[in-house]
Amino acid sequence: DVKVTQSSRYLVKRTGEKVFLECVQDMDHENMFWYRQDPGLGLRLIYFSYDVKMKEKGDIPEGYSVSREKKERFSLILESASTNQTSMYLCASSQNSGARGQPQHFGDGTRLSIL
Amino acid sequence: KNQVEQSPQSLIILEGKNCTLQCNYTVSPFSNLRWYKQDTGRGPVSLTIMTFSENTKSNGRYTATLDADTKQSSLHITASQLSDSASYICVVSALTSNDYKLSFGAGTTVTVRA
Repeated sequence: DVKVTQSSRYLVKRTGEKVFLECVQDMDHENMFWYRQDPGLGLRLIYFSYDVKMKEKGDIPEGYSVSREKKERFSLILESASTNQTSMYLCASSQNSGARGQPQHFGDGTRLSIL
Repeated sequence: KNQVEQSPQSLIILEGKNCTLQCNYTVSPFSNLRWYKQDTGRGPVSLTIMTFSENTKSNGRYTATLDADTKQSSLHITASQLSDSASYICVVSALTSNDYKLSFGAGTTVTVRA
């Protein structure tokens, strides 16, 4: 079974802090994704990566950056956290054959609160 | 406006009863449609995936249907169990240029009561 592990289930940070969310997958998947999930809005794509050191902006990249130094690890960075970034963050991975075409396997999410 | 609309937003059913969730989409050009189940505090888990040529797909007590002409899908849960309490998310994939774009519905929250 594919395992996507997010480093923290809950995180509380202060406005202006630099925040790192970590995600690791164990199935050698090429593609990795970061989403945020807010009530009534569905999942929205922040960034995705289809290879090591490669990254592509999703639909809402503003205020975020990512890093993929190793194939199995994809990090989401909030450069200067703001209260509107309080949300549930979900990481996902998938095999290749189209950057986002294959079914995605999700982690259990990090619930981030910015105070 | 979201290109994937799910209804109802939430519903409550008694254990053992059936229910049907709806998903209407405007995404184009259509590639595939997936239903995910998301338990509280967990990430979404794929239930079914259907391409243009498939109009029904089952996974145990879950049956998804697709009408690509009317751009509608439904997820039917048969003989509901308490463990079916979750959010169900419809995801539609469009193939644009050289890439797939996923559009997510906001989900339907199902509560099964004993």
